[in-house]
Amino acid sequence: DAGVTQSPTHLIKTRGQQVTLRCSPISGHKSVSWYQQVLGQGPQFIFQYYEKEERGRGNFPDRFSARQFPNYSSELNVNALLLGDSALYLCASSFPGSPRSAFFGQGTRLTVV
Amino acid sequence: TQLLEQSPQFLSIQEGENLTVYCNSSSVFSSLQWYRQEPGEGPVLLVTVVTGGEVKKLKRLTFQFGDARKDSSLHITAAQPGDTGLYLCAGPISSGSARQLTFGSGTQLTVLP
Repeated sequence: DAGVTQSPTHLIKTRGQQVTLRCSPISGHKSVSWYQQVLGQGPQFIFQYYEKEERGRGNFPDRFSARQFPNYSSELNVNALLLGDSALYLCASSFPGSPRSAFFGQGTRLTVV
Repeated sequence: TQLLEQSPQFLSIQEGENLTVYCNSSSVFSSLQWYRQEPGEGPVLLVTVVTGGEVKKLKRLTFQFGDARKDSSLHITAAQPGDTGLYLCAGPISSGSARQLTFGSGTQLTVLP
């Protein structure tokens, strides 16, 4: 079975631009969460989606948005990019209500210049 | 404020040595997870501990959950270069209807041949 897949793996953007990151969960997993991991830190929670609805949001500005599609895949959008948005963006899928069974993708490395 | 504090932040040892890393909190967790992350990759789940006082072994890795479910430790026996990586502890927290994982900042382990 395929694990969580994310695309692209690497991305370089300029300040002020917009970016869309994509995630396909493990088959059968209906919950998708997004995390931001800055170098030297643990991942920080951004969003959780289940059944196409936002179930939770971390302490991130409104420039960050996401959505989930009927096939449970998800997109994370970040507008008006700042240098500080440079990070590894991780997607995790799990059965709903079971974050301890979360499985992570390889991440998208975003560099803002 | 970090809910989970990990120590040490960095650890460099010689192959064959033993080591212990710690994950501490002032909060009670229903479970704690340990992940290992290699550069440019997503975290990979090693183990979940659920019961206070629980000890789990995974080959040369021994995980313990504190009796009060506020702390955990990871002990590696006879470390090998392949054990090199960022070790993260994480615990589930509720935010509204979301169940997210909160992570520690990690312990960066380097095992020298």
